[in-house]
Amino acid sequence: KNEVEQSPQNLTAQEGEFITINCSYSVGISALHWLQQHPGGGIVSLFMLSSGKKKHGRLIATINIQEKHSSLHITASHPRDSAVYICAATTGNQFYFGTGTSLTVIP
Amino acid sequence: GAVVSQHPSRVICKSGTSVKIECRSLDFQATTMFWYRQFPKQSLMLMATSNEGSKATYEQGVEKDKFLINHASLTLSTLTVTSAHPEDSSFYICSAPGINGYTFGSGTRLTVV
Repeated sequence: KNEVEQSPQNLTAQEGEFITINCSYSVGISALHWLQQHPGGGIVSLFMLSSGKKKHGRLIATINIQEKHSSLHITASHPRDSAVYICAATTGNQFYFGTGTSLTVIP
Repeated sequence: GAVVSQHPSRVICKSGTSVKIECRSLDFQATTMFWYRQFPKQSLMLMATSNEGSKATYEQGVEKDKFLINHASLTLSTLTVTSAHPEDSSFYICSAPGINGYTFGSGTRLTVV
């Protein structure tokens, strides 16, 4: 069993839809990261959070420490949001990566 | 914000040759650099952790003589894939912890022919 589980694996949405990607983890963490990997491979760190909720533009990340669960929400999705979204849990300097959610937003 | 510059972004090399990948921290000092590998449609896998001025720590199953890591300064870490083979073809990416979290390089797509 992976330390970090993500769902769904693949997601197709119409432009404008509200999107939720879920992440569950089994390890004790110091922080939870949401990463965005573009089709070319480059990775951008979207959020690092250890409690509560963070918002950046149309992206919102939440975490429930007791339930060991985090969600990434995208409001008013756009085709440029199409990418792989990766959840990663860190325990100090150890990273545990989810397998990613491939998001395709159709115009 | 913190930026890690990774080069080259793409490289094609012949089997048996060596390839060097560089990661530079541009506006902060990276005492630690993480090196990851990602095979197609798979998640990132940590290969090794480099620390400035000391030997790198390799994950189980990663050959240290094949994947040479040097972290000679606070702003530069390099990964050299020696005697590359087609099975080494992969996406390699580095990451460094900064004040506000981890910063990733843009990655290197290595193709060994």
